Amino acid sequence: GDSVTQMEGPVTLSEEAFLTINCTYTATGYPSLFWYVQYPGEGLQLLLKATKADDKGSNKGFEATYRKETTSFHLEKGSVQVSDSAVYFCALRNNAGNMLTFGGGTRLMVKP
Amino acid sequence: EPEVTQTPSHQVTQMGQEVILRCVPISNHLYFYWYRQILGQKVEFLVSFYNNEISEKSEIFDDQFSVERPDGSNFTLKIRSTKLEDSAMYFCASSEGVAIRQETQYFGPGTRLLVL
Repeated sequence: GDSVTQMEGPVTLSEEAFLTINCTYTATGYPSLFWYVQYPGEGLQLLLKATKADDKGSNKGFEATYRKETTSFHLEKGSVQVSDSAVYFCALRNNAGNMLTFGGGTRLMVKP
Repeated sequence: EPEVTQTPSHQVTQMGQEVILRCVPISNHLYFYWYRQILGQKVEFLVSFYNNEISEKSEIFDDQFSVERPDGSNFTLKIRSTKLEDSAMYFCASSEGVAIRQETQYFGPGTRLLVL
């Protein structure tokens, strides 16, 4: 079946540091890929998505590129802020169904 | 901006009791979903619902679970006889459709269920 693997956290960075959160997936066909973010006490919010190979999703300074050859969708940001502290979830939707398959989540803590 | 809402935010119940978790999806969305996250574990899919019937469900969604759209706005998840292992955060989500441009699922803030 489909699966998503994320790097385990927590990831602790200083403000303005470069962020990478690794995500790899296993799926049949051509899934859509997503990053969701969960701020403390809130629900899951879509951060960005990509629907086909070599697509780059971007939002709020975050980027991720759909790499079919390495089955990866790593999240990057050039300069993190304290307000980026949250849990980040990588997910996929296999177009054979409607469900999202999530990774385990990565907690990011950004210190001033 | 339209959002998915869920009530209650927290629910405590005794083992064996029935609970109903409520959700109001985004108004023009046609697909509705329930997911759960047991503390420290992954977010897991439970069920999707379209046109007043279940379109997909996971192995977790057994006979003790049911979903309903009782009116034009609410979408509910009922757990008939709760077990300790049902303690989790339950998320409702909705999407416009399932085609590429409509597939994004928008999540509510969750209901934290604690079964004692």
